[in-house]
Amino acid sequence: DIQMTQSPSSLSASVGDRVTITCRASQSISSYLNWYQQKPGKAPKLLIYAASSLQSGVPSRFSGSGSGTDFTLTISSLQPEDFATYYCQQSYSTPRPTFGQGTRLEIK
Amino acid sequence: QVQLVESGGGLVKPGGSLRLSCAASGFTFSDYYMSWIRQAPGKGLEWVSYISSSGSTIYYADSVKGRFTISRDNAKNSLYLQMNSLRAEDTAVYYCASSIIAVAGNWFDPWGQGTLVTVSS
Repeated sequence: DIQMTQSPSSLSASVGDRVTITCRASQSISSYLNWYQQKPGKAPKLLIYAASSLQSGVPSRFSGSGSGTDFTLTISSLQPEDFATYYCQQSYSTPRPTFGQGTRLEIK
Repeated sequence: QVQLVESGGGLVKPGGSLRLSCAASGFTFSDYYMSWIRQAPGKGLEWVSYISSSGSTIYYADSVKGRFTISRDNAKNSLYLQMNSLRAEDTAVYYCASSIIAVAGNWFDPWGQGTLVTVSS
């Protein structure tokens, strides 16, 4: 199985901050990497697919980059509604995808 | 609007069975692959099972293979997960999600609100 490791596991930041979350794959996955946002008690929501494509309706302050084994999710200017847990997911090994362990983004 | 609504969760004893359902609306259900994904309390996401649009192709995670069965009824716009021989470690919120298959990869969108399955004596 392809292992996905996110860092940091948790992060404190302030409204207006620029935040970067990293996801590393245990082997090269090309650009087969997606990002989700999950708020407490809610289902995950797709933010970014194929490493850097913004899902329709997602604010442009979210962006994704990377290929191979190293990927990043960047929020350019944190808004109050962005405090949530973020997960990466690889689809290189479809139909058996795997998720990262999550990064919890908290208010400082 | 596009909506997925799960039902059928609850409390079940170890070794017991449960059948989850997912009702789809707002899109052409029969055109889409579908998946079940679960999340144990306070933990991350784990893909469980995957079924093609016609139902002819099915995959399972090793952790549930031989115990869970995914199926769909395109006439009823519904997805199912039959869970047998349940274990404590199957306790989780179970989400159904549409699986988008593209050249650029495979992602899940949208997701249902989830249904909680608790396996305990």
